[in-house]
Amino acid sequence: DTTVKQNPRYKLARVGKPVNLICSQTMNHDTMYWYQKKPNQAPKLLLFYYDKILNREADTFEKFQSSRPNNSFCSLYIGSAGLEYSAMYLCASSRAQGTNERLFFGHGTKLSVL
Amino acid sequence: QQQVRQSPQSLTVWEGETAILNCSYENSAFDYFPWYQQFPGEGPALLISILSVSDKKEDGRFTIFFNKREKKLSLHIADSQPGDSATYFCAASWSNNRIFFGDGTQLVVKP
Repeated sequence: DTTVKQNPRYKLARVGKPVNLICSQTMNHDTMYWYQKKPNQAPKLLLFYYDKILNREADTFEKFQSSRPNNSFCSLYIGSAGLEYSAMYLCASSRAQGTNERLFFGHGTKLSVL
Repeated sequence: QQQVRQSPQSLTVWEGETAILNCSYENSAFDYFPWYQQFPGEGPALLISILSVSDKKEDGRFTIFFNKREKKLSLHIADSQPGDSATYFCAASWSNNRIFFGDGTQLVVKP
């Protein structure tokens, strides 16, 4: 099974409220990623876990948090959603770190903040 | 600063023609260049990739041409089919897990 699963597929959130997105994979991949994708823009890397080590991008460091309670699951947490958080959030996984590994993507969660 | 740029933003070709999608990058340290294909409602999926030590990679109807000196590459889709209609992302990385994507080219193949 090479599936990365994301829940929910669509999410509606209110400005100022928290948001929690979930991702899972059963490929025993070491690395899991979160990307933010807005229309006509490139997927933007937010953060990634290599095993239990979290790496967050400098420009989104304070905006997103994440947890990885076990190898299969990874969450993306927004403490206080703003309108600018409306986007598609893509989760991906790969086998290892530091190598030219293929990313396996989920179908994404479309977040709308109102 | 955007690390990876793609052109055109959208491209329409007729069935049977060769579609050419262009990509350029900024960071000379990039050494791995995957192309991802995304259909509506799905996540991107790896289509084909090339390492910077090569100047060409073929996989069926899909070919990457790579010019390291000019920091440019292109994806050629020969004998385009309507089923190839999708968004194509050029990406680049080096050995640190950070993979940078371009904005994508939306390809439409008309029958």
